[in-house]
Amino acid sequence: GAVVSQHPSWVICKSGTSVKIECRSLDFQATTMFWYRQFPKQSLMLMATSNEGSKATYEQGVEKDKFLINHASLTLSTLTVTSAHPEDSSFYICSARRTGGGAYEQYFGPGTRLTVT
Amino acid sequence: QKEVEQNSGPLSVPEGAIASLNCTYSDRGSQSFFWYRQYSGKSPELIMSIYSNGDKEDGRFTAQLNKASQYVSLLIRDSQPSDSATYLCAVNGGGGADGLTFGKGTHLIIQP
Repeated sequence: GAVVSQHPSWVICKSGTSVKIECRSLDFQATTMFWYRQFPKQSLMLMATSNEGSKATYEQGVEKDKFLINHASLTLSTLTVTSAHPEDSSFYICSARRTGGGAYEQYFGPGTRLTVT
Repeated sequence: QKEVEQNSGPLSVPEGAIASLNCTYSDRGSQSFFWYRQYSGKSPELIMSIYSNGDKEDGRFTAQLNKASQYVSLLIRDSQPSDSATYLCAVNGGGGADGLTFGKGTHLIIQP
């Protein structure tokens, strides 16, 4: 168990357009999901925390109007990169937190590689 | 500002030997600690979680936590070439409410 999927796995878009990335927990319910970004040769950086049925919490320096997060159900969170620019090109990875038994393990999706031209 | 420090490596270990990976963290209030393995171009895969002081063993992996020293380690016994990857140490606050703060990772190379 603890499988998380992401779609699409890679996307190329033109500067100024918007891209939506979906994150699904396939075999468990996740009240909390997280969105991370990883630039080449760097570690993962938390962008925002997505809570089912409420507004996302964004990390300092992450523009909430640019990175729109929606967590409409216990198994789906979406990240929309609006008005994308080349500097938004990165590896976007979501995780879902499985709780129970005192554990707070996060399981990651396979990631979405975004290239903005 | 929460920080997680790891030696970036590369750490080269002969096949069959024990690989020892270390991590320190700055936030003394941290409650949950994780080791992830990341292959190049892929997303992280959870290897171990540890929440209390001491050792936790799972197969060839042993995680060690010392909250007083703010130190977490991962031992990999009988190292295999397939263990070659970047190992990320990750920490979060109490209750798991926060997202993870990651170290930059240690690049491990298992030499056949």
